[in-house]
Amino acid sequence: DQQVKQNSPSLSVQEGRISILNCDYTNSMFDYFLWYKKYPAEGPTFLISISSIKDKNEDGRFTVFLNKSAKHLSLHIVPSQPGDSAVYFCAASFGTASKLTFGTGTRLQVTL
Amino acid sequence: DTAVSQTPKYLVTQMGNDKSIKCEQNLGHDTMYWYKQDSKKFLKIMFSYNNKELIINETVPNRFSPKSPDKAHLNLHINSLELGDSAVYFCASSPAGFDTEAFFGQGTRLTVV
Repeated sequence: DQQVKQNSPSLSVQEGRISILNCDYTNSMFDYFLWYKKYPAEGPTFLISISSIKDKNEDGRFTVFLNKSAKHLSLHIVPSQPGDSAVYFCAASFGTASKLTFGTGTRLQVTL
Repeated sequence: DTAVSQTPKYLVTQMGNDKSIKCEQNLGHDTMYWYKQDSKKFLKIMFSYNNKELIINETVPNRFSPKSPDKAHLNLHINSLELGDSAVYFCASSPAGFDTEAFFGQGTRLTVV
């Protein structure tokens, strides 16, 4: 039962444009959402998070939007840079000391 | 200065063997984890330890046994390796619980032949 889904396995965007990565979840009890970025042969690194009491969180070029009614979140990267090329994992949790449930990732390629 | 380090990075071994993957974190975190990323790219938690105490043990075969000698180390022992154990295993740590952002190691690619 895949509770966190990233339906686009890959995305290609031109440098300077906006990258939008999407994530859907099925468990309405999730109340904390995170995005991780992963380069080849490295572990995932934390990028940005959002609590369910918010619908937007911004950190520099990265913004995460949360639509609780649609059980959907998205990561916007503006402007996209070649160094952003990586696999992006969406993750969700509920409560404290709760495990993270990850999506399968979306590979972003930013082209020149 | 590597925050979460795991060794080895690559491990190729035969079916039936017993192997260990070591993990150490120098962040002073209380909680450490083992995740498995399978061929379908699912990243799933296997175990979690908080201050050397097991707090999460997902449905993992008994052949997998974590050991935490102190809160900076969480090693993963795997007995009687099977082909299906081939995956990338990630160690991670966080200050407390899961609603804080975890720091991951670089992963250990285990190949069972």
